Amino acid sequence: AQSVTQLGSHVSVSEGALVLLRCNYSSSVPPYLFWYVQYPNQGLQLLLKYTTGATLVKGINGFEAEFKKSETSFHLTKPSAHMSDAAEYFCAVSRTGGYQKVTFGIGTKLQVIP
Amino acid sequence: DVKVTQSSRYLVKRTGEKVFLECVQDMDHENMFWYRQDPGLGLRLIYFSYDVKMKEKGDIPEGYSVSREKKERFSLILESASTNQTSMYLCASSPSEQYFGPGTRLTVT
Repeated sequence: AQSVTQLGSHVSVSEGALVLLRCNYSSSVPPYLFWYVQYPNQGLQLLLKYTTGATLVKGINGFEAEFKKSETSFHLTKPSAHMSDAAEYFCAVSRTGGYQKVTFGIGTKLQVIP
Repeated sequence: DVKVTQSSRYLVKRTGEKVFLECVQDMDHENMFWYRQDPGLGLRLIYFSYDVKMKEKGDIPEGYSVSREKKERFSLILESASTNQTSMYLCASSPSEQYFGPGTRLTVT
C-alpha cells in the first residue's frame, strides 16, 4: 500500500519569500515521487519527479525537491516566490514498474501575497 | 510535447442521462487513467487501463464504466448520471509520470 500526506492544505507566503510545501509518503517498495501544479480550471502539470539516482531533483519554474528516505519525505521548495506561483500543488507516489498506479495527496493551495 | 485532450471543458447533464467523456492522447502511451477531483478530497482514481481492451477498477468505480477500443482513446461512461457525480473529471496518460488533460467540469442537475 502507498499513501501521501501533504501538511497544510493552504500555505501563504510573501512575494520573494521561500516556498516550502511539505510531503511525506509511505510505500512498501522504493517509490517514484512526483510534484504536480494545477492552475485554476486546468489539468495538472508535472513540476518534477524522482525515480532513482540524485536525491535533489530540479524541476520547472525554479522548483526543486529532495528525496529523504530516512524521513520518508519529498518536500518542494523554491527560494523566492513569484505571484505566478499561486496555484494548487499535489505530491504523488507510485510504485516502480507495474502499471504505475499513482496515489495523490489532497493538495496544498499556495497563496502569494504581494 | 505530449498532448492529452478531453472532449469537453464544461458539460451540463440531467439526472439519469448517460454521459460519455472522451480522452485522447497522442504519445502512444499504454497506460491511461480517469480521476475525479473534488475540493478537500484531492484526486481519486476511478478506472485505469494498461492496454487496449484492458481495464482495472480504481478506488471509486461505482456508477462508472470505461471503454478502450483504441490505444489513444479512453472513454469514461456514466451509465445514469446522478447529482453526486457533479465534479471535475481528469484524464491522464502515462509512461511513468502522468500527463493530464485540461479536465471536464461536469454538472448534473
